[in-house]
Amino acid sequence: DVVLTQTPSTLSATIGQSVSISCRSSQSLLDSAGNTYLYWYLQRPGQSPQLLIYLVSNLGSGVPNRFSGSGSGTDFTLKISGVEAEDLGVYYCMQATHAPWTFGGGTKLELK
Amino acid sequence: EVQLVESGGGLVQPGRSMKLSCAASGFTFNNYDMAWVCQAPKKGLEWVATISYDGSSTYYRDSVKGRFTISRDNAKSTLYLQMDSLRSEDTATYYCARTGITTVEFDYWGQGVMVTVSS
Repeated sequence: DVVLTQTPSTLSATIGQSVSISCRSSQSLLDSAGNTYLYWYLQRPGQSPQLLIYLVSNLGSGVPNRFSGSGSGTDFTLKISGVEAEDLGVYYCMQATHAPWTFGGGTKLELK
Repeated sequence: EVQLVESGGGLVQPGRSMKLSCAASGFTFNNYDMAWVCQAPKKGLEWVATISYDGSSTYYRDSVKGRFTISRDNAKSTLYLQMDSLRSEDTATYYCARTGITTVEFDYWGQGVMVTVSS
């Protein structure tokens, strides 16, 4: 199975600070058709996960543009440009290039 | 508005069965693949199973193959997960999720239903 390693596991930030989360894959997520099935989700405390980013860098519906995704191959990054209070929670990357689909271990974003 | 509402969870003994349902509304259900994702207490997310829009194809993680069955009733806009031979390690919150048509993301999630496997 593809292993997704997220760093850091915990991130402390102040409101307005910009932060980045890394997601490193044990295999390239580029498929033979040139697609990279890498996604980012946020799970706020007590809530279901919600989609933030699909296909590496595309914003999900209704997601604020302070979120951005980048990367290729095996290395991917989620950036939040100016953390807001509603951004607190656990962030997960997920890949769907290789079966079985797998998630990273999560990065908890908390207030400093 | 897209809504996914799970039901059917609870406490079940090891070795017994349980069937989860997910009622969908606010979109054309039979246009979308659907999936189940679970989350053990205080743990991360784990994909469980996916079914194609017409039910013709199903996919499972290895740990549930032969024990869990994903199915759907497009006439009722409902997704199911039949869980047999349950084990303590199946204890988790189970979410149903809609899968994007070409981009494959889980774009909408239900609120989740808790399944506890314990004697």
